Amino acid sequence: GENVEQHPSTLSVQEGDSAVIKCTYSDSASNYFPWYKQELGKRPQLIIDIRSNVGEKKDQRIAVTLNKTAKHFSLHITETQPEDSAVYFCAVTSGTYKYIFGTGTRLKVLA
Amino acid sequence: DAGVIQSPRHEVTEMGQEVTLRCKPISGHDYLFWYRQTMMRGLELLIYFNNNVPIDDSGMPEDRFSAKMPNASFSTLKIQPSEPRDSAVYFCASSLVLDTEAFFGQGTRLTVV
Repeated sequence: GENVEQHPSTLSVQEGDSAVIKCTYSDSASNYFPWYKQELGKRPQLIIDIRSNVGEKKDQRIAVTLNKTAKHFSLHITETQPEDSAVYFCAVTSGTYKYIFGTGTRLKVLA
Repeated sequence: DAGVIQSPRHEVTEMGQEVTLRCKPISGHDYLFWYRQTMMRGLELLIYFNNNVPIDDSGMPEDRFSAKMPNASFSTLKIQPSEPRDSAVYFCASSLVLDTEAFFGQGTRLTVV
C-alpha cells in the first residue's frame, strides 16, 4: 500500500525567512498531492495542491513542487509571517486509492 | 452548504461504554472518510466510503470499532467498548471524488476515562 513520509516533524524559522517541508511517497500511481494547514484546535484545511501532470504550482507566498521520478513533493513558504505558524500535512491519493496523510510538520515562525 | 457537520464536538465517557460519533457530509460528495488524530500518530485513516459503500477499513484498529453509512447524508463511527487509548480527535471528511480536496468537519474530541 501507499506510504507517505513527511519531514521535518518540527521547523522553526525567523519571520521573513523561507520554510520548506518535504514528503515522499511510494506508489507511482498516485496522482494528487494536496497540502493542508491545521491551526491549533481547528480542522485541517487545504492550502494548495498539485496534480501529477504539473511540476510546480504557486499561490502568492506558497508553492508546491513535485518530482515524480523521485516520488517526492515539497511545500515552500516564502516571507513567513507569525500567522503561518501551524501544523502542515501533506497527503497523497490516486483516483482509485485511499487518501493518506503524512505525519505532519509543526511550523513555528519566530517574530 | 454548511460544510461537513460532526456531533458531538466533545465526548467524555467511561471506559467500557459505547460511543457513537456522527457525521453529515457535504451534499453531493461521493466520498466520506473517518480519521483519528493523535499527537503520536498524526492523521490516521480509519475507513472510507464511496457512495455509501465501505471501500477500505484496513485502518480500523480493532473489532471494537465499526462504521456505517446508511445513506448519502449520514455516517456513524462506533466504539464498543471504549478504552482510554481511544482518546483522540476524530475527524470526518468528505470529497466530491477521491483525488480532490477533502473537506473536514470540526472534529469530535473523545476522552475515555
